[in-house]
Amino acid sequence: AQSVTQPDIHITVSEGASLELRCNYSYGATPYLFWYVQSPGQGLQLLLKYFSGDTLVQGIKGFEAEFKRSQSSFNLRKPSVHWSDAAEYFCAVGAGTGRRALTFGSGTRLQVQP
Amino acid sequence: GAGVSQSPSNKVTEKGKDVELRCDPISGHTALYWYRQSLGQGLEFLIYFQGNSAPDKSGLPSDRFSAERTGGSVSTLTIQRTQQEDSAVYLCASSSGTHQETQYFGPGTRLLVL
Repeated sequence: AQSVTQPDIHITVSEGASLELRCNYSYGATPYLFWYVQSPGQGLQLLLKYFSGDTLVQGIKGFEAEFKRSQSSFNLRKPSVHWSDAAEYFCAVGAGTGRRALTFGSGTRLQVQP
Repeated sequence: GAGVSQSPSNKVTEKGKDVELRCDPISGHTALYWYRQSLGQGLEFLIYFQGNSAPDKSGLPSDRFSAERTGGSVSTLTIQRTQQEDSAVYLCASSSGTHQETQYFGPGTRLLVL
């Protein structure tokens, strides 16, 4: 069974600082990987996804993530955080065949200090 | 175009009552998912519909939960004899159903069982 670990429950960064949110997954084959963001009271918005090919993927809002098979990781990064980035971030893994449901990590809540 | 919509946005009910939650997927999407987001359990998969195939009900927590999808479009999640532990945000997502698919989420229904 697949699983996702987001080791940081809560992260605080200053506006303008760089950001890295960690995600580790467990899956037997090549996974489909996603990062979603959830603002308070809102649904999930897709930031970026990795299916195959280039291991560095670009997403919306200036985010990027790098798939590292050797480390089973898919960390999310942003060079300069904006106050509007404060939200909860979820990493998710999906299977290419069979059960299509996503397995989510427990989320990382990002706080941005002025 | 229109995204995934869910109704009601909020629902307060008394323990023991039945509730129905509705999801309108993105037009043309053949796959539809229900997830539950609660404080103690994070984001959990409930049920998955793909076209005319039998749904994957493997995530439903008890036989009080059921879902149907009429005409391959709108879906209703029904919780019978609600319990306080059913209080959560119920999220619906849809996808194109093709090989490399992205799930797009609705805003959710916040259910509170008193």
